[in-house]
Amino acid sequence: KAGVTQTPRYLIKTRGQQVTLSCSPISGHRSVSWYQQTPGQGLQFLFEYFSETQRNKGNFPGRFSGRQFSNSRSEMNVSTLELGDSALYLCASSLDGGSGANVLTFGAGSRLTVL
Amino acid sequence: AQSVTQLGSHVSVSEGALVLLRCNYSSSVPPYLFWYVQYPNQGLQLLLKYTSAATLVKGINGFEAEFKKSETSFHLTKPSAHMSDAAEYFCAVTNNNAGNMLTFGGGTRLMVKP
Repeated sequence: KAGVTQTPRYLIKTRGQQVTLSCSPISGHRSVSWYQQTPGQGLQFLFEYFSETQRNKGNFPGRFSGRQFSNSRSEMNVSTLELGDSALYLCASSLDGGSGANVLTFGAGSRLTVL
Repeated sequence: AQSVTQLGSHVSVSEGALVLLRCNYSSSVPPYLFWYVQYPNQGLQLLLKYTSAATLVKGINGFEAEFKKSETSFHLTKPSAHMSDAAEYFCAVTNNNAGNMLTFGGGTRLMVKP
């Protein structure tokens, strides 16, 4: 069974540009969550999508957005990149999003460097 | 609101020694608790979870954790450390209201000395 696949694994952008990251969940998983990991702020929740609808959103500016497609694949976009957006972006999938007892399976992450 | 505190950002043990990584949580409703491990340049791997069943939870690679409601703790232990256990460990909390919105602790980097 294939795991959670994130692309690209590494990317470098400059300030002001925008970036799109992709996440393919485990087959059959309908919930996709995104987390940002930085040395200073640690792991922070960005948003969660379930059946193409955003269920929860973390405390991030509107420059951070996402969407989910009918096949459960998800993308997140960051516009007008800032130096502080440099981070490892982790995607996680689970069977559903209703209960906190769900186990999240994480991908290897997309490491974004903003110059 | 929920939060997690991991005491000790770095823990060093000798190979074969007991591993104890501390996690205290705060949650206004019954929590679900998780321990994840992260190896360099990789994502998070689930070690174990507490979801209101047995308070002593056994996970992979010989790790276990005990949920203590009175102490609001969920400490991770392993009787004998292996070199391969060197990694960063994260404790996380959620509940039925928050769903998949996990709140993570700051992480503890475990170093294992030969």
